[in-house]
Amino acid sequence: EVQLLESGGGLVHPGGSLRLSCAASGFTFSSYAMNWVRQAPGKGLEWVSTISGSGGSTFYADSVKGRFTISRDNSKNTLFLQMSSLRADDTAVYYCAKVHQLDPMAFDIWGQGTMVTVSS
Amino acid sequence: QSVLTQPPSASGTPGQRVTISCSGSSSNIGSYTVNWYQQLPGTAPKLLIYSNNQRPSGVPDRFSGSKSGTSASLAISGLQSDDEADYYCAAWDDSLNRVVFGGGTKLTVL
Repeated sequence: EVQLLESGGGLVHPGGSLRLSCAASGFTFSSYAMNWVRQAPGKGLEWVSTISGSGGSTFYADSVKGRFTISRDNSKNTLFLQMSSLRADDTAVYYCAKVHQLDPMAFDIWGQGTMVTVSS
Repeated sequence: QSVLTQPPSASGTPGQRVTISCSGSSSNIGSYTVNWYQQLPGTAPKLLIYSNNQRPSGVPDRFSGSKSGTSASLAISGLQSDDEADYYCAAWDDSLNRVVFGGGTKLTVL
């Protein structure tokens, strides 16, 4: 079964750091670009970051550029999001998502999400 | 303010056909394919339609997508109570260089 499982969320003070992980199973992880998408409480979906299958290319939303770093370990089938200089408006559920084989702009598999709360 | 515009709410009765619109511009929907996601309460989003009108395996043919110019639509026929969810459209935007989502439409089955 194709599956994504996020972990690492929690409560962090403004200015703090957190590292999210996303463990993948059931597919050839290194063959697919991966994404992080977040959803603030009661709000819509916001794309955060994308990394290519090899890890050689990365892309970020302007709202997180310079503060967040996406990476992956293909030997361990794991995706990461290193978040620093966290702000209150980073509070959200963070989902990792796999791109569709036929349409790389479509996200066909999503994790269950991990909640990040930035508060003093 | 979302780049793609969706109505905040829609409703229908069981068995009815409902449509949800998604309006964009030449830099997104007008040039790229549209994807639709369903988010049931308290769960992660699920890909419902990709490449404007393609259904992933397992998605019932009651769900269909279409695109014309800078707008797209999701149609749900034979409405069921289980269809009550939030629906989001999404597309690549080449002026923002990122995937953009609509604000979401909350579908209520009366």
